[in-house]
Amino acid sequence: AIQMTQSPSSLSASVGDRVTITCRASQGIRNDLGWYQQKPGKAPNLLIYAASTLQSGVPSRFSGSGSGTDFTLTISSLQPEDFATYYCLQDYDYPYTFGQGTKLEI
Amino acid sequence: EVHLVQSGAELKKPGESLKISCKTSGYIFTIYWIAWVRQMPGKGLEWMGSFYPGDSDTTYSPSFQGQVTISADKSVTTAYLQWSSLKASDTAKYYCARHSEVLGNAFDIWGQGTMVTVSS
Repeated sequence: AIQMTQSPSSLSASVGDRVTITCRASQGIRNDLGWYQQKPGKAPNLLIYAASTLQSGVPSRFSGSGSGTDFTLTISSLQPEDFATYYCLQDYDYPYTFGQGTKLEI
Repeated sequence: EVHLVQSGAELKKPGESLKISCKTSGYIFTIYWIAWVRQMPGKGLEWMGSFYPGDSDTTYSPSFQGQVTISADKSVTTAYLQWSSLKASDTAKYYCARHSEVLGNAFDIWGQGTMVTVSS
Protein backbone atom coordinates (compact mmCIF):
# COMPACT_ATOMS: atom_id res chain seq x y z
CA ALA A 1 0.00 0.00 0.00
CA ILE A 2 1.10 3.59 -0.63
CA GLN A 3 2.07 5.33 2.58
CA MET A 4 1.27 9.01 2.99
CA THR A 5 3.51 10.88 5.43
CA GLN A 6 2.00 14.20 6.47
CA SER A 7 3.80 16.92 8.38
CA PRO A 8 3.67 18.57 10.75
CA SER A 9 1.24 16.63 12.94
CA SER A 10 0.29 19.88 14.68
CA LEU A 11 0.89 23.52 14.01
CA SER A 12 0.32 26.66 16.06
CA ALA A 13 -0.42 29.80 14.08
CA SER A 14 -2.21 33.12 14.26
CA VAL A 15 -4.89 34.81 12.21
CA GLY A 16 -3.27 36.30 9.13
CA ASP A 17 -0.36 33.85 9.05
CA ARG A 18 0.66 31.90 5.95
CA VAL A 19 0.89 28.18 6.68
CA THR A 20 2.09 25.18 4.73
CA ILE A 21 1.31 21.50 5.26
CA THR A 22 3.10 18.78 3.34
CA CYS A 23 2.37 15.22 2.30
CA ARG A 24 4.90 12.80 0.92
CA ALA A 25 3.89 9.60 -0.85
CA SER A 26 5.97 6.44 -0.61
CA GLN A 27 5.81 6.12 -4.40
CA GLY A 28 4.78 8.33 -7.28
CA ILE A 29 1.06 9.10 -7.44
CA ARG A 30 1.02 11.56 -10.38
CA ASN A 31 -1.25 14.36 -9.16
CA ASP A 32 -3.87 12.04 -7.62
CA LEU A 33 -4.08 13.75 -4.26
CA GLY A 34 -6.77 15.63 -2.41
CA TRP A 35 -6.78 17.84 0.69
CA TYR A 36 -9.59 17.76 3.25
CA GLN A 37 -10.51 19.94 6.20
CA GLN A 38 -12.25 18.47 9.23
CA LYS A 39 -13.72 20.42 12.13
CA PRO A 40 -14.51 18.70 15.44
CA GLY A 41 -17.56 16.47 15.25
CA LYS A 42 -18.08 17.18 11.56
CA ALA A 43 -17.51 15.30 8.33
CA PRO A 44 -14.41 16.14 6.30
CA ASN A 45 -14.77 18.71 3.54
CA LEU A 46 -12.93 18.59 0.21
CA LEU A 47 -10.69 21.62 -0.36
CA ILE A 48 -8.37 20.67 -3.23
CA TYR A 49 -8.43 17.79 -5.73
CA ALA A 50 -5.98 16.63 -8.36
CA ALA A 51 -3.26 18.20 -6.19
CA SER A 52 -3.95 21.80 -7.21
CA THR A 53 -7.58 22.27 -8.29
CA LEU A 54 -9.68 24.29 -5.88
CA GLN A 55 -13.04 22.68 -5.15
CA SER A 56 -16.04 24.86 -5.95
CA GLY A 57 -16.95 27.17 -3.09
CA VAL A 58 -13.60 26.91 -1.31
CA PRO A 59 -11.93 30.26 -0.58
CA SER A 60 -9.00 31.20 -2.79
CA ARG A 61 -6.65 31.55 0.21
CA PHE A 62 -6.33 27.74 -0.03
CA SER A 63 -3.98 26.38 -2.67
CA GLY A 64 -2.29 23.10 -3.46
CA SER A 65 0.79 22.12 -5.38
CA GLY A 66 3.00 19.16 -6.18
CA SER A 67 3.10 16.00 -8.22
CA GLY A 68 4.79 12.65 -8.03
CA THR A 69 5.65 12.17 -4.35
CA ASP A 70 5.68 15.63 -2.75
CA PHE A 71 2.61 17.79 -2.17
CA THR A 72 1.81 20.99 -0.34
CA LEU A 73 -1.33 22.67 1.00
CA THR A 74 -0.92 26.39 1.62
CA ILE A 75 -3.29 28.74 3.40
CA SER A 76 -2.20 32.25 2.43
CA SER A 77 -3.79 34.20 5.28
CA LEU A 78 -5.34 32.23 8.10
CA GLN A 79 -8.88 33.08 9.11
CA PRO A 80 -10.51 32.09 12.42
CA GLU A 81 -12.64 29.45 10.68
CA ASP A 82 -9.52 27.71 9.29
CA PHE A 83 -8.49 26.26 12.64
CA ALA A 84 -9.22 22.59 12.04
CA THR A 85 -7.50 19.33 11.17
CA TYR A 86 -6.29 18.78 7.61
CA TYR A 87 -5.76 15.48 5.82
CA CYS A 88 -4.31 14.49 2.48
CA LEU A 89 -5.68 11.46 0.62
CA GLN A 90 -4.04 9.66 -2.29
CA ASP A 91 -6.64 8.41 -4.76
CA TYR A 92 -4.11 7.10 -7.27
CA ASP A 93 -4.40 3.44 -6.38
CA TYR A 94 -6.28 1.14 -4.05
CA PRO A 95 -6.08 0.93 -1.12
CA TYR A 96 -6.62 4.68 -0.89
CA THR A 97 -4.63 6.08 2.02
CA PHE A 98 -4.89 9.21 4.15
CA GLY A 99 -2.10 11.12 5.77
CA GLN A 100 -2.05 11.13 9.57
CA GLY A 101 -3.56 14.61 9.77
CA THR A 102 -2.34 18.07 10.78
CA LYS A 103 -4.10 19.85 13.62
CA LEU A 104 -3.94 23.59 13.07
CA GLU A 105 -4.29 25.44 16.36
CA ILE A 106 -4.18 29.02 17.51
CA GLU B 1 -28.66 19.46 -4.48
CA VAL B 2 -26.59 16.39 -3.67
CA HIS B 3 -27.07 14.83 -0.23
CA LEU B 4 -25.74 11.78 1.58
CA VAL B 5 -27.74 11.17 4.77
CA GLN B 6 -26.58 8.45 7.12
CA SER B 7 -28.54 6.42 9.64
CA GLY B 8 -28.44 7.28 13.32
CA ALA B 9 -26.06 6.37 16.11
CA GLU B 10 -25.95 2.74 17.24
CA LEU B 11 -25.13 1.12 20.58
CA LYS B 12 -24.46 -2.60 20.21
CA LYS B 13 -22.94 -5.46 22.17
CA PRO B 14 -19.91 -7.47 21.07
CA GLY B 15 -20.93 -10.30 18.76
CA GLU B 16 -24.04 -8.55 17.47
CA SER B 17 -24.62 -7.76 13.82
CA LEU B 18 -25.21 -4.31 12.38
CA LYS B 19 -26.03 -2.65 9.06
CA ILE B 20 -25.77 1.12 8.71
CA SER B 21 -27.00 3.09 5.73
CA CYS B 22 -26.16 6.06 3.53
CA LYS B 23 -29.18 7.42 1.65
CA THR B 24 -28.22 9.44 -1.41
CA SER B 25 -30.18 11.98 -3.43
CA GLY B 26 -29.70 14.65 -6.05
CA TYR B 27 -27.48 12.78 -8.50
CA ILE B 28 -27.32 9.64 -10.64
CA PHE B 29 -26.56 6.97 -8.07
CA THR B 30 -25.13 4.42 -10.48
CA ILE B 31 -22.28 6.50 -11.90
CA TYR B 32 -20.47 7.45 -8.67
CA TRP B 33 -18.54 5.26 -6.27
CA ILE B 34 -19.50 5.29 -2.59
CA ALA B 35 -16.64 4.99 -0.12
CA TRP B 36 -16.79 4.18 3.59
CA VAL B 37 -14.30 5.83 5.94
CA ARG B 38 -13.64 4.98 9.59
CA GLN B 39 -12.58 7.42 12.27
CA MET B 40 -11.85 5.90 15.64
CA PRO B 41 -12.22 8.21 18.66
CA GLY B 42 -9.56 10.90 18.58
CA LYS B 43 -7.85 9.36 15.55
CA GLY B 44 -7.44 9.97 11.83
CA LEU B 45 -9.35 8.88 8.75
CA GLU B 46 -9.09 5.37 7.26
CA TRP B 47 -10.51 4.33 3.91
CA MET B 48 -12.36 1.03 4.33
CA GLY B 49 -13.58 0.32 0.82
CA SER B 50 -15.61 1.54 -2.12
CA PHE B 51 -18.64 0.28 -4.02
CA TYR B 52 -19.76 1.10 -7.56
CA PRO B 53 -23.56 0.77 -7.79
CA GLY B 54 -23.45 0.63 -11.60
CA ASP B 55 -22.04 -2.88 -11.65
CA SER B 56 -21.67 -3.73 -7.94
CA ASP B 57 -17.87 -3.63 -8.21
CA THR B 58 -16.43 -3.55 -4.69
CA THR B 59 -12.91 -2.88 -3.43
CA TYR B 60 -11.84 -3.26 0.20
CA SER B 61 -8.82 -2.08 2.08
CA PRO B 62 -6.80 -5.12 3.18
CA SER B 63 -7.30 -3.89 6.74
CA PHE B 64 -11.05 -4.33 6.41
CA GLN B 65 -11.36 -7.19 3.92
CA GLY B 66 -13.42 -9.96 5.52
CA GLN B 67 -14.37 -7.74 8.47
CA VAL B 68 -17.18 -5.76 6.84
CA THR B 69 -19.46 -5.96 3.81
CA ILE B 70 -20.25 -2.99 1.58
CA SER B 71 -23.36 -3.11 -0.58
CA ALA B 72 -26.06 -0.94 -2.11
CA ASP B 73 -29.68 -1.02 -3.24
CA LYS B 74 -30.14 0.90 -6.48
CA SER B 75 -33.92 0.97 -6.08
CA VAL B 76 -33.61 3.23 -3.01
CA THR B 77 -30.24 4.83 -3.94
CA THR B 78 -28.78 3.74 -0.63
CA ALA B 79 -25.41 2.26 0.29
CA TYR B 80 -24.76 0.04 3.29
CA LEU B 81 -21.93 -1.02 5.57
CA GLN B 82 -22.48 -4.13 7.63
CA TRP B 83 -20.84 -6.28 10.25
CA SER B 84 -21.78 -9.87 11.13
CA SER B 85 -20.08 -9.90 14.53
CA LEU B 86 -19.07 -6.60 16.11
CA LYS B 87 -16.04 -6.14 18.34
CA ALA B 88 -15.29 -3.40 20.84
CA SER B 89 -12.57 -2.22 18.46
CA ASP B 90 -15.27 -1.40 15.87
CA THR B 91 -16.27 1.57 18.03
CA ALA B 92 -15.84 4.53 15.72
CA LYS B 93 -17.60 7.09 13.58
CA TYR B 94 -18.23 5.89 10.05
CA TYR B 95 -18.63 8.19 7.07
CA CYS B 96 -19.84 7.52 3.56
CA ALA B 97 -18.57 9.70 0.73
CA ARG B 98 -19.11 9.95 -3.00
CA HIS B 99 -16.25 9.85 -5.49
CA SER B 100 -15.72 9.60 -9.22
CA GLU B 101 -13.13 10.21 -11.90
CA VAL B 102 -14.93 13.50 -12.66
CA LEU B 103 -12.99 15.00 -9.74
CA GLY B 104 -10.01 12.68 -9.99
CA ASN B 105 -11.66 10.30 -7.51
CA ALA B 106 -11.71 12.90 -4.76
CA PHE B 107 -14.41 12.47 -2.13
CA ASP B 108 -16.54 15.51 -2.91
CA ILE B 109 -19.71 14.90 -0.89
CA TRP B 110 -19.78 13.28 2.55
CA GLY B 111 -22.49 11.97 4.83
CA GLN B 112 -22.75 13.40 8.33
CA GLY B 113 -21.34 10.24 9.91
CA THR B 114 -22.77 7.40 12.00
CA MET B 115 -21.35 6.78 15.47
CA VAL B 116 -21.16 3.08 16.31
CA THR B 117 -20.44 2.14 19.93
CA VAL B 118 -19.76 -1.49 20.79
CA SER B 119 -19.78 -2.19 24.49
CA SER B 120 -20.87 -4.96 26.80
